[in-house]
Parts: sequence; C-alpha cells; structure tokens
Amino acid sequence: KNEVEQSPQNLTAQEGEFITINCSYSVGISALHWLQQHPGGGIVSLFMLSSGKKKHGRLIATINIQEKHSSLHITASHPRDSAVYICAVSYDTDKLIFGTGTRLQVFP
Amino acid sequence: GAVVSQHPSRVICKSGTSVKIECRSLDFQATTMFWYRQFPKQSLMLMATSNEGSKATYEQGVEKDKFLINHASLTLSTLTVTSAHPEDSSFYICSARIGQVGEAFFGQGTRLTVV
Repeated sequence: KNEVEQSPQNLTAQEGEFITINCSYSVGISALHWLQQHPGGGIVSLFMLSSGKKKHGRLIATINIQEKHSSLHITASHPRDSAVYICAVSYDTDKLIFGTGTRLQVFP
Repeated sequence: GAVVSQHPSRVICKSGTSVKIECRSLDFQATTMFWYRQFPKQSLMLMATSNEGSKATYEQGVEKDKFLINHASLTLSTLTVTSAHPEDSSFYICSARIGQVGEAFFGQGTRLTVV
C-alpha cells in the first residue's frame, strides 16, 4: 500500500467546473506538497503546506493534520489546467514520498 | 519561485554509449539534489540523493556503477547513464529543495531513448 493515496486517479471536467483532488497519508508529516506535471513532463510546485489553507489564483489547498488528509481545489477550471496533479509528503528528512497522481482533463 | 534547469530535454543515444544529464540550480545553492526516474503513467521513483562534495546515496535496486552521480558544486549535479541499454529509456528528472525542508523545485526533465 502506497503511503500516499490520491483520489480520483482520473478526472474529467467541463470548463468552468469546480474540481477537488484528495490526498491521504498514513503517518505524521512535516509538510505536504502539491505538484503539477504538464503533458511534456515538467513539474511545477503549486503549494507546500503543513497546516491550514493556502490560495493562489484559482487554486486552493487545504490540509487537515488530524485526519491526515489534504485537498486541492481548482475553481472555474480551464482546459489549460489539464495535467497530472501529484501529492507528495515529507517527513523529517528532505526526501519526498509521492502519490500516484491524478490525471485531470478539462474539456471546453 | 526558484529555478532548476535540466539539460538536455531530449536525447537519443545508441546502446553501449554513455549519456550525461545536467541539473543546475540557477538562483539558489542546493547542497542536496534528487534524481528521479519516471515510467509512462507512473509516479516518480527516487533513484538517488546527490550530496555536494560527497558520494551520492542510492536507493535500493539502483546500480551505482550504471547511474553515476556527481555533485561537484552547490549549483550543479550530473547524472551519467553509462553503457546505456534500451531498458534505460525513460524520463529522468532532478529536483532540489530550498534548505533541507523547503519547497521543492524540479528540472524540466530529460527524455532518454536508447536505440
């Protein structure tokens, strides 16, 4: 069993829809990262958070430490949001443990 | 955010040859860099942790003589795939963090094809 579980694995949406991607982890962490991998392979760091909520543009990330759960929300989704979204956690070391990713396709 | 530059983005090489991939942190110093391999539609797999001025730490199952890592300066780590074989064809990507527990930044990745 992967230490970091993401759901759903695949997600399709119509442009403008509100999207939620979930991430659960099994043990206490020092930080949780949300990453975006474009079709060409490049990876962009969206958020790093250890508590509460962060917002950047149309993206919102929340984390519940007690429930060991995080969500990534995309408001007013757009076809350019189509990508693989990866949740990763770090413990007391500098290594990241990755989830399997959520493949999002937003259609116009 | 910080920038990590990886080069080349694509490379095709013949079996038996060696390929060097460079990873540079452009606007910060990275004492540690990470090298990952990714197969199609799979998650990133950590190959090794590159430590500036010392030997890399390889993950279990990764051949250190095949995947040579050098981290000679605080801004450059290199991964050399030696005696490349078609099964080494994959997407390789590097990463560095700001400090030990800071945000992670990734290179653009290198798609290696061995023919």
